[in-house]
Amino acid sequence: GAGVSQTPSNKVTEKGKYVELRCDPISGHTALYWYRQSLGQGPEFLIYFQGTGAADDSGLPNDRFFAVRPEGSVSTLKIQRTERGDSAVYLCASSQTFGDEQFFGPGTRLTVL
Amino acid sequence: TQLLEQSPQFLSIQEGENLTVYCNSSSVFSSLQWYRQEPGEGPVLLVTVVTGGEVKKLKRLTFQFGDARKDSSLHITAAQPGDTGLYLCARGNSGGSNYKLTFGKGTLLTVNP
Repeated sequence: GAGVSQTPSNKVTEKGKYVELRCDPISGHTALYWYRQSLGQGPEFLIYFQGTGAADDSGLPNDRFFAVRPEGSVSTLKIQRTERGDSAVYLCASSQTFGDEQFFGPGTRLTVL
Repeated sequence: TQLLEQSPQFLSIQEGENLTVYCNSSSVFSSLQWYRQEPGEGPVLLVTVVTGGEVKKLKRLTFQFGDARKDSSLHITAAQPGDTGLYLCARGNSGGSNYKLTFGKGTLLTVNP
């Protein structure tokens, strides 16, 4: 079946702009995760959804970052007033339920000029 | 933050050679996962080790969990160019739940034909 998909695959924006990154999880997966991977680093946890609610958003770096999952499927990561330091690959993962194996998407490479 | 230290950071070898990469922590972890990430893709789970001293084999890959559950190693026999990628170790958050993965920085392996 289809894996986790993320759009766009690449996003270039200017400092101060707003961006939205989309994640389509594997069908039927109730848990969804966002991670951020900076150059030369491993992925860092941002937020976890169980269903429609954010069960743990402790990894969001500041209040410019926000994520939603209104219908318990597709999720959008929103970044306001982007900064050059936000440049990274943003990875989404889903799992059948809480604690199960996480399947990762290919990521969105965000570049803030 | 319970860090995972991976070594070496970079490894370039010839096809057919053997290699070992390491993942270490100052803290005990309940389980450890190994992932491989190829360019432009998300990490893919290779194995989960849970029991101290555990050894798991996946074709030419051998994974070992230290007796004290503070370290792990991945050994590849007769490496092939298809083994090229970033090898990441990760642990779940404390309490045994694995939804909030913490990754090491990874070992970037290049296998030259």
